[in-house]
Amino acid sequence: DIVMTQTPLSLSVTPGQPASISCKSSQSLLHSDGKTYLYWYLQKPGQSPQLLIYEVSSRFSGVPDRFSGSGSGTDFTLKISRVEAEDVGVYYCMQGIVLPDTFGQGTKLEIK
Amino acid sequence: EVQLVESGGGLVQPGGSLRLSCSASGFTFNNYTLHWVRQAPGKGLEYVSAISSKGGKTFYVDSVKGRFTISRDNSMNTLYLQMSSLRAEDTAVYYCVKGVKDWGQGTLVTVSS
Repeated sequence: DIVMTQTPLSLSVTPGQPASISCKSSQSLLHSDGKTYLYWYLQKPGQSPQLLIYEVSSRFSGVPDRFSGSGSGTDFTLKISRVEAEDVGVYYCMQGIVLPDTFGQGTKLEIK
Repeated sequence: EVQLVESGGGLVQPGGSLRLSCSASGFTFNNYTLHWVRQAPGKGLEYVSAISSKGGKTFYVDSVKGRFTISRDNSMNTLYLQMSSLRAEDTAVYYCVKGVKDWGQGTLVTVSS
């Protein structure tokens, strides 16, 4: 199985400040079809995970543009340009190139 | 609007069985592969199983192989997960997932004596 490693595992951020989460995969997520199957989710307290970013850098419908994704191959980053109170929760990266889909351990974001 | 509604969770003793259901609406059910993902209390997300659109292909994570069976009824727009020989480590919220963006609200399975 592909192992997904996130860092850091927790973040405490002042509103208006940026935040960054790293995700590394144990093998390349670049498919022969040219797409890279890396996704980012946010799980708010008491809710199901919600998709933020798909295929490394495409924002899902309705996701604020303060969220951005980047990376390639095995190294990926989620950035929040200016953290807001509503961004609290646990962020997960996930690979979807091969079953089983696997998730990072999660990064808990709290507001200072 | 896609809706996925899980049911069937509850308290079961170790070694027992339970069948989860996921009732779907808002999309053409028999066109999509569907998945089960679980989350133990206070823990991260773990992929469990998948079934192809017509039900001909299935996948299981190693930890549930031989104990869980995924199935679907395309006439009823319903996905199932039959779980047997349940263990304490199967305690989790079980989510029904379509694609990468549509998740149900989950149903809690607790395996305890």
